[in-house]
Amino acid sequence: NAGVMQNPRHLVRRRGQEARLRCSPVKGHSHVYWYRQLPEEGLKFMVYLQKENIIDESGMPKERFSAEFPKEGPSILRIQQVVRGDSAAYFCASSPPGGKSYGYTFGSGTRLTVV
Amino acid sequence: DAKTTQPPSMDCAEGRAANLPCNHSTISGNEYVYWYRQIHSQGPQYIIHGLKNNETNEMASLIITEDRKSSTLILPHATLRDTAVYYCIVRVTTSGTYKYIFGTGTRLKVLA
Repeated sequence: NAGVMQNPRHLVRRRGQEARLRCSPVKGHSHVYWYRQLPEEGLKFMVYLQKENIIDESGMPKERFSAEFPKEGPSILRIQQVVRGDSAAYFCASSPPGGKSYGYTFGSGTRLTVV
Repeated sequence: DAKTTQPPSMDCAEGRAANLPCNHSTISGNEYVYWYRQIHSQGPQYIIHGLKNNETNEMASLIITEDRKSSTLILPHATLRDTAVYYCIVRVTTSGTYKYIFGTGTRLKVLA
């Protein structure tokens, strides 16, 4: 019964490159959430997706960031033309469909370092 | 914005009970209170959640006041491994969708 799997665990990118972060939710979970955590800060909500749909992207920066959760395969958080300020830990969480009492299961995160 | 407020830090002696308070005065009648913790820089770990009644599991107990405006997470016998940031969360609902907004949490330090 695997939990939320995120890869890679660590990612180093040079300024201007693209970063792709992957998240495979718990089997049977159709809701995915992405959070960003800057050093010494709390987790900031970025985006909430269901299969093939973006439900809430109110926390996503308007430029360079995008997210998807295709019908098949993992959810992807893509950051284009990375800058130093994008260096952070990115956490993905999943939850099952329906049921307001369900909590989230979080992955171990991807630590992005932009050099 | 987060719908909860917590003290920024607390210390607890090893083996003693750790009581972590949380205020959520604007909570709706059907909203659950969730507690998570983050050890070091790992992913947040679910601890417990509740609606109205007190809850207990193998990790902790959750005491919710009758008016539901505050709650307390109790770690009955804190160990050094319980040193972490503890987040009390009430789900935020906007435009028919919901999400967890994390506040700053309480940094619990368990002392030997």
